[in-house]
Order: sequence, then C-alpha cells, then structure tokens
Amino acid sequence: DVKVTQSSRYLVKRTGEKVFLECVQDMDHENMFWYRQDPGLGLRLIYFSYDVKMKEKGDIPEGYSVSREKKERFSLILESASTNQTSMYLCASSFLSGSNEQYFGPGTRLTVT
Amino acid sequence: AQSVTQLGSHVSVSEGALVLLRCNYSSSVPPYLFWYVQYPNQGLQLLLKYTTGATLVKGINGFEAEFKKSETSFHLTKPSAHMSDAAEYFCAADGNNGNKLVFGAGTILRVKS
Repeated sequence: DVKVTQSSRYLVKRTGEKVFLECVQDMDHENMFWYRQDPGLGLRLIYFSYDVKMKEKGDIPEGYSVSREKKERFSLILESASTNQTSMYLCASSFLSGSNEQYFGPGTRLTVT
Repeated sequence: AQSVTQLGSHVSVSEGALVLLRCNYSSSVPPYLFWYVQYPNQGLQLLLKYTTGATLVKGINGFEAEFKKSETSFHLTKPSAHMSDAAEYFCAADGNNGNKLVFGAGTILRVKS
C-alpha cells in the first residue's frame, strides 16, 4: 500500500514563527504536492515538485516556500506564519507518468494564533 | 484552463436512498477524472477513476460514476446510502498541464437516519 505520512496531525504556532511541515512518501513517486484546504474553497495547490530540488509554484504560493532534498521527502515552510495561514494542509504524491492519480497524507491542521 | 464544478456544496439523503453527486469539467479534450472521499480530519482517499475505456466506472464502497463526454459530466452515484457514507466528496480532473489535478470545491454528503 502507498503510504504518505505527514509530520504532525495538529500544530499550533504563534504569528511570526517559522513553521515546517514535512511529508514523506514510500512509493518512489516523482511528483509531490502541497495543498491547503479551506471550507467552501476545495483544495488549492501551493507548490509541487516533479524531481529532487525541482519545484514549481501552484495557485497560491505567496507566504510559502518548499524544499525537496530527497525524492521521498517534501517540506512546506511558512517563513513567518500569519493568522490567515490557519488551515488544513494536505500533502500528496504521484508518478510522473500514468493516470495522475494522487495519494494523500492524513493532513496537518495548523492553527496560527 | 481546466475547471471542475460540483453542483451543490451540501447534499442530504435518507439512509437507503439514492446518492447522486454532480460533477462537470470544462475541457474539450476528455481528461482523466477522479472522485475522492474525505472523512472528518483525514486525508483524501480515492473512490474511483476514469482514464480510458468503459465509461461506467465502479469504485469502492458501492459507488460508481459514469463519464458522459457529450455532457462533460462525471456524476457519482450509489444506489443505497449508508450512514458511513457521510463525508465530503471531491471531483478532480487532470489539468492537461502536466501532472496536476484540478479539484472541485467539494460536496458534503449528509445521511439521515
């Protein structure tokens, strides 16, 4: 079974803190994705990566950065957390070729106070 | 650019009744299509997918969806709702721009006893 794990299920941070969200997949997928999910807005793509050290901006990259130093690991960084970044963050992965089916982690619910 | 529309942000059915969740996509080139389910505080789980071939696709938990090119639709159905079907459902389409998926806004299914 494909497994995508995220470092925390729940996280509470203060405004201005630097926040790291980590994602690890065990299926040798080339693609990895970070989404945020807010009620009524569905999933919005923040960043994705199709290879180690490669990244592309998604629809809402402002206020976020990413790092992919190893194929299995994709980190989302909030340089200076703000209250409007309170959200559910979902990581996903997929193969470079094929049906584009994405496999999701359990999510991290981040609260910024 | 590809877009996905889910009609109805909330759908309520009685236990044992038909479930119908609607999804329309925008591109003229038939994309790969997916339905995902999300239970509270969990990640997304694939229910079913259409890539090529048979237009009626069967998935897990008794769900199925029919790809209709003429209507650019991919509606999700289940003949008889169960209480355990209460969740949020997302329709997604291949974005025709690399390996990204475009998600609808989601439909929350409520099942009444």
